[in-house]
Amino acid sequence: NAGVTQTPKFQVLKTGQSMTLQCAQDMNHEYMSWYRQDPGMGLRLIHYSVGAGITDQGEVPNGYNVSRSTTEDFPLRLLSAAPSQTSVYFCASSYSTNFGTYEQYFGPGTRLTVT
Amino acid sequence: AQSVTQPDIHITVSEGASLELRCNYSYGATPYLFWYVQSPGQGLQLLLKYFSGDTLVQGIKGFEAEFKRSQSSFNLRKPSVHWSDAAEYFCAVGTGTASKLTFGTGTRLQVTL
Repeated sequence: NAGVTQTPKFQVLKTGQSMTLQCAQDMNHEYMSWYRQDPGMGLRLIHYSVGAGITDQGEVPNGYNVSRSTTEDFPLRLLSAAPSQTSVYFCASSYSTNFGTYEQYFGPGTRLTVT
Repeated sequence: AQSVTQPDIHITVSEGASLELRCNYSYGATPYLFWYVQSPGQGLQLLLKYFSGDTLVQGIKGFEAEFKRSQSSFNLRKPSVHWSDAAEYFCAVGTGTASKLTFGTGTRLQVTL
């Protein structure tokens, strides 16, 4: 099991460019999420998905787009990059047991710089 | 909406000393609580979690946490810190949806030898 994988590890963009951050998991988890991490702010939820074809907004969704066409993949699109989107991005996947318990597994992160 | 407060931004302890990292949460229902650790340049690793039952939860690497509903707290403890414990620690609260966690701002732990 590779777990949660993210590509690329590092990326530099110019303001106005678009790009897609890739996230994949091989654990057959139904839930997936994107967070961004900024100094002194912890991790904040951007978008999440409770299953293929179902996505919803988190705390800071503006400027980002997601889709979930398969259980395994949950790409995050930056439509027109801005310096405020300079951050470290983490993808996570999780499952839910019959008892309602769960655990999120995190990918290694993508460090994005927008100049 | 739920929220998490970690009042200590930075803590320094000596190796071998005990550790307590504070976490307070705000959530209207029974919370699901988590502690994660992040080493520099790495992703997040789950230390322990609380869903229900025994309020003292044991985790990996010798960590434990105690859920106190009356104080809305979920403090992380370790009786004897090792130099390798130096990292950033995040407390998080979850709702009934497994894909949504709300994180605190983190506590950076420095360990002196």
